[in-house]
Amino acid sequence: KQEVTQIPAALSVPEGENLVLNCSFTDSAIYNLQWFRQDPGKGLTSLLLIQSSQREQTSGRLNASLDKSSGRSTLYIAASQPGDSATYLCAVVLTGGGNKLTFGTGTQLKVEL
Amino acid sequence: EPEVTQTPSHQVTQMGQEVILRCVPISNHLYFYWYRQILGQKVEFLVSFYNNEISEKSEIFDDQFSVERPDGSNFTLKIRSTKLEDSAMYFCASAPLRGGNTIYFGEGSWLTVV
Repeated sequence: KQEVTQIPAALSVPEGENLVLNCSFTDSAIYNLQWFRQDPGKGLTSLLLIQSSQREQTSGRLNASLDKSSGRSTLYIAASQPGDSATYLCAVVLTGGGNKLTFGTGTQLKVEL
Repeated sequence: EPEVTQTPSHQVTQMGQEVILRCVPISNHLYFYWYRQILGQKVEFLVSFYNNEISEKSEIFDDQFSVERPDGSNFTLKIRSTKLEDSAMYFCASAPLRGGNTIYFGEGSWLTVV
């Protein structure tokens, strides 16, 4: 059974800092990995999708990397802003698993002025 | 930008009552999903739906749950006899194709069973 874990569970940083969020998964036979943002009481907003054949994806100040062999992905946020404060979730789709997402535990990020 | 819409945003119901949560997926999408998130816990997969039938379901999705696409635009989740432990945020999601695509989520329906 696929298990997805995110470290740290919570993170507080000053504005402007670059930061890295970590995601690890136990079954490396993934089809893709997706990073989401969740604001309190709100839905999930997709940030980046990395296919299993890719090593990284970039969108603005966000960069996500994928190392299938070690079962890890990182989300790098450059020059963090207070508006980045949210919970960040990673989720994987297993090969042959349709589009079923298995979610991680999430990292709650707070960016302070 | 197209989005997945869900209603109601919040519903309070008595234990044992039936609840229907409604979703309008993005119009050209073919795959539809329900997920749930109990407060403080992970987002969990419930069911996926394609071509008017369930393609996959989790062990959570027992006989108390059902899904339906009654017309060309709506996708519903029915809970026949709600339990206290059904209290959660329920998310509808859709995707254009199977595999390799971004999955788009709605804002969620917060269900409280009392």
